[in-house]
Amino acid sequence: DAKTTQPTSMDCAEGRAANLPCNHSTISGNEYVYWYRQIHSQGPQYIIHGLKNNETNEMASLIITEDRKSSTLILPHATLRDTAVYYCIVSAGKSTFGDGTTLTVKP
Amino acid sequence: EAGVAQSPRYKIIEKRQSVAFWCNPISGHATLYWYQQILGQGPKLLIQFQNNGVVDDSQLPKDRFSAERLKGVDSTLKIQPAKLEDSAVYLCASSAGTEETQYFGPGTRLLVL
Repeated sequence: DAKTTQPTSMDCAEGRAANLPCNHSTISGNEYVYWYRQIHSQGPQYIIHGLKNNETNEMASLIITEDRKSSTLILPHATLRDTAVYYCIVSAGKSTFGDGTTLTVKP
Repeated sequence: EAGVAQSPRYKIIEKRQSVAFWCNPISGHATLYWYQQILGQGPKLLIQFQNNGVVDDSQLPKDRFSAERLKGVDSTLKIQPAKLEDSAVYLCASSAGTEETQYFGPGTRLLVL
């Protein structure tokens, strides 16, 4: 499995866009990039995933660089409820979670 | 659609005792995962099932942990005997296939005294 590198923590002002980076320089051609988040005392929640193209859903947007070595999760208008640990993983059947990025959205 | 169910939600035991956790995946999901999450860390995969067969159990401490998924639906994870360092949240997840999105249950919080 490719490993990922994420910043330990980030802050974001409420209402502003939150941009969470992830480095996955050893990603293989058939591995997807997945993002999950975990709110305190809950199980991880799926956000979005992609292979090569940028993706958008009702929760977030995922921007993957052309060489696929890094990606950015964008929460367009962060709210206090988006405060959570965000995990970026690469997966082709096996999932290795790192310690994620703790995003704190501040009023 | 019902999500992944886990029970119990909380368990407190003394070291050297045994404990079992139960997971009911989303209906029709062939792949089931058990993770261990120690406070402040990301989830660590313990075992992955595809239907009732084991795909990966390389990080399962087999001297004390065991898991089964009879009939390819529900699964149980057992610890016997428990150690203090087993205190963690045990998460169950399921997916339609091995390369599909995982959906997690709420977890079982275990405290070993």
